[in-house]
Amino acid sequence: QSALTQPASVSGSPGQSITISCTGTSSDVGGYNYVSWYQLHPGKAPKLMICEVSNRPSGVSNRFSGSKSGNTASLTISGLQAEDEADYYCSSYTSSSTLVFGGGTKLTVL
Amino acid sequence: QVQLVESGGGVVQPGRSLRLSCAASGFTFSTYGIYWVRQAPGKGLEWVAIIWYDGNNKYYADSVKGRFTISRDNSKNTLYLQMKRLRAEDTAVYYCARDTTEGVADYGMDVWGQGTTVTVSS
Repeated sequence: QSALTQPASVSGSPGQSITISCTGTSSDVGGYNYVSWYQLHPGKAPKLMICEVSNRPSGVSNRFSGSKSGNTASLTISGLQAEDEADYYCSSYTSSSTLVFGGGTKLTVL
Repeated sequence: QVQLVESGGGVVQPGRSLRLSCAASGFTFSTYGIYWVRQAPGKGLEWVAIIWYDGNNKYYADSVKGRFTISRDNSKNTLYLQMKRLRAEDTAVYYCARDTTEGVADYGMDVWGQGTTVTVSS
């Protein structure tokens, strides 16, 4: 159960777009469409931003979008806003019927 | 409203046991898979376990397999995590979270509790 690989940090200016990658293997990200993305603000519970690769739950801004190509999933945030500054984690179902998270990415809005 | 509330955290010595609870309200608990996820101090999220809506399927992370047991009482709308042989590395905030879909899980977690803190220390 090795953690999925995410960049430790990304940054962007307000209004810009950024993309966070999440790389796994054919036994997790590449093998299933069960990739989710979570936003964590300090001291708060995680918030689901994207599920099943690209589905956006009700109430989540359409500035957030997800995609997948091969063993790599991506979260794109367009029109960056100050409140987007947070930690982001991807997760994936695995061939062992378990889940695995990525190591997390700290997004800084400059 | 839809809510999950964890309890049972605390300070425990290495090798001892602890049981966490997660009380659900505002939705039909018995139709959703539920997860335990933890976050150690300064670390990322770590998936711990999942139990399907009917309790018939349970899966664990390798790091807790054989020491932790997930269970649920659908008549009480409550999820449990029995933790045995605790180690310092089990120190974390433990969250329970609901699967996004009724019935068969789709492995997203759309409702989270506020977390309960477990500290394993002598």
